[in-house]
Amino acid sequence: GAVVSQHPSWVICKSGTSVKIECRSLDFQATTMFWYRQFPKQSLMLMATSNEGSKATYEQGVEKDKFLINHASLTLSTLTVTSAHPEDSSFYICSARGVGWADTQYFGPGTRLTVL
Amino acid sequence: QKEVEQNSGPLSVPEGAIASLNCTYSDRGSQSFFWYRQYSGKSPELIMFIYSNGDKEDGRFTAQLNKASQYVSLLIRDSQPSDSATYLCANAGNNRKLIWGLGTSLAVNP
Repeated sequence: GAVVSQHPSWVICKSGTSVKIECRSLDFQATTMFWYRQFPKQSLMLMATSNEGSKATYEQGVEKDKFLINHASLTLSTLTVTSAHPEDSSFYICSARGVGWADTQYFGPGTRLTVL
Repeated sequence: QKEVEQNSGPLSVPEGAIASLNCTYSDRGSQSFFWYRQYSGKSPELIMFIYSNGDKEDGRFTAQLNKASQYVSLLIRDSQPSDSATYLCANAGNNRKLIWGLGTSLAVNP
């Protein structure tokens, strides 16, 4: 149980384009999903928290107009990186927390974004 | 600033030995604590969570929590080369977001 998928697993795009990443909970309903970014050799950095049907809450320093998050259902959240630039190249990972799971988060496999 | 501290390592142990990973945290109000394993280039994988003082065992893994000392540890018995990874400690704050340590790199040598 507690399987989270992400799609795509990797993406290469040109500077200035937008990229959408999907995060799905496959065998449970995720009331809350989290989006993280991780640069090489660094720890996880929380970008935003999204609750189903609500606007996402962004961490300080994360541009909400650049990183658009939608959590339209209890099994799907999407992150869109708008007008991507090379400095946005990173490993983007989502996690999900189910109903009644206290604070436990299960992670998707991550999406490696490379912006040329 | 609420923090979680871990020794970055690398911690090197021989195959079959016990690996001991330690973590301290600053938020006295934290109620839940987690250990995740992250292989290079992969996403974190939940190993254990612990809420109560004392020990919690799951297979070769034992988590130990001491809230008075604000200390949580992970013991890995009979360490295997496949246990070589970065181990992340985290605790949940009042807002239910996880506060992460920087991780301890473990190398198990055959």
